[in-house]
Amino acid sequence: DQQVKQNSPSLSVQEGRISILNCDYTNSMFDYFLWYKKYPAEGPTFLISISSIKDKNEDGRFTVFLNKSAKHLSLHIVPSQPGDSAVYFCAASGIGAGNMLTFGGGTRLMVKP
Amino acid sequence: KAGVTQTPRYLIKTRGQQVTLSCSPISGHRSVSWYQQTPGQGLQFLFEYFSETQRNKGNFPGRFSGRQFSNSRSEMNVSTLELGDSALYLCASSSSRQGAVDEQFFGPGTRLTVL
Repeated sequence: DQQVKQNSPSLSVQEGRISILNCDYTNSMFDYFLWYKKYPAEGPTFLISISSIKDKNEDGRFTVFLNKSAKHLSLHIVPSQPGDSAVYFCAASGIGAGNMLTFGGGTRLMVKP
Repeated sequence: KAGVTQTPRYLIKTRGQQVTLSCSPISGHRSVSWYQQTPGQGLQFLFEYFSETQRNKGNFPGRFSGRQFSNSRSEMNVSTLELGDSALYLCASSSSRQGAVDEQFFGPGTRLTVL
């Protein structure tokens, strides 16, 4: 049973437009959420995170929104750049679970010039 | 700072053998976590070590084990390899506070192929 789901395996966006990547979770014990980006032949790289006490966190071009009642989070990238083309993973951690992360299946983002 | 390093990068083994993978964390990081990435199951948490003690454990059989040394370097071992163990094994390190979620820095991974 997948506790963290990314239902879109791929997303294609034009350079300069907004990219919206979505993630749903089922476990109510998750209280911290993270987004990672992964390029081929490299390990995932941390992008941005959000605690369950917040509903929005912003860092430059990246904003994460959390809707706890819907158990849904999204990552917005504005404006999208070709260098953003990668696989994006959302991950969640439970209360007291620390670095024990549960990952979604990933969404491949392609930003076209 | 040097990043997380993993050795070897690629490995081919046959069923029934055992394998040991190594991970050197970023200097000063005391937490090391291991993940398995497969096309079917995605990224799955194996275990986390902090100060030479296993702090968290994922839902993997006992054939998967690990340890951490006093210099924070970590090894994971898989015994009696099965075809399904073919995967990318990722190691991540963080400075980590007890119970907190820290930014984890991932290594490039070890690609294990079991024939």
